[in-house]
Amino acid sequence: GEDVEQSLFLSVREGDSSVINCTYTDSSSTYLYWYKQEPGAGLQLLTYIFSNMDMKQDQRLTVLLNKKDKHLSLRIADTQTGDSAIYFCAESIRAAGNKLTFGGGTRVLVKP
Amino acid sequence: GAVVSQHPSRVICKSGTSVKIECRSLDFQATTMFWYRQFPKQSLMLMATSNEGSKATYEQGVEKDKFLINHASLTLSTLTVTSAHPEDSSFYICSARGQGGGGNQPQHFGDGTRLSIL
Repeated sequence: GEDVEQSLFLSVREGDSSVINCTYTDSSSTYLYWYKQEPGAGLQLLTYIFSNMDMKQDQRLTVLLNKKDKHLSLRIADTQTGDSAIYFCAESIRAAGNKLTFGGGTRVLVKP
Repeated sequence: GAVVSQHPSRVICKSGTSVKIECRSLDFQATTMFWYRQFPKQSLMLMATSNEGSKATYEQGVEKDKFLINHASLTLSTLTVTSAHPEDSSFYICSARGQGGGGNQPQHFGDGTRLSIL
């Protein structure tokens, strides 16, 4: 079955690195995504990684994928107050029509 | 690129009213659009998948007669909440997926519609 889990909350000081973790259960996932949601808004696609990749870096964002352990992480370097938001990981599975299965979201609070 | 516009952003109306929400892909063509519902402090729940020119596919437990979906063009899908009641109050979010890539294009989301039924 499909199950994606994330920790609920992360607090980090401005300027430090943030690491948000996600685990999933379906090994047949094709792509894994990170989305950001600010209060009262929709979801903003941050980055995504194909399931046969180990790492992807895009400016301050680094995604690491450990397929053996079914573990995905998002590292945000030099975290800013504007990074405070809820971060959702999601997986798409070809057999499920590439629908997204979302984790419960991690609320990140950046303290000055 | 990949901008999705959702309107209205907020609706407050009386019980029994029908409400239409629009989802438009502004700079790309979307063969598939998705409608989600989000309860406070929770994740997104997929309601239905909408393919251009065909009937929507609803997730289990979602009433198709209650939530009417129309995907008339490659850039527009609408969700109509018929005879809305207070329990339909929620945050509704649409997303659109571009063509190509064997269905692996990422979903791009609108800004959501806050629906409040009095």
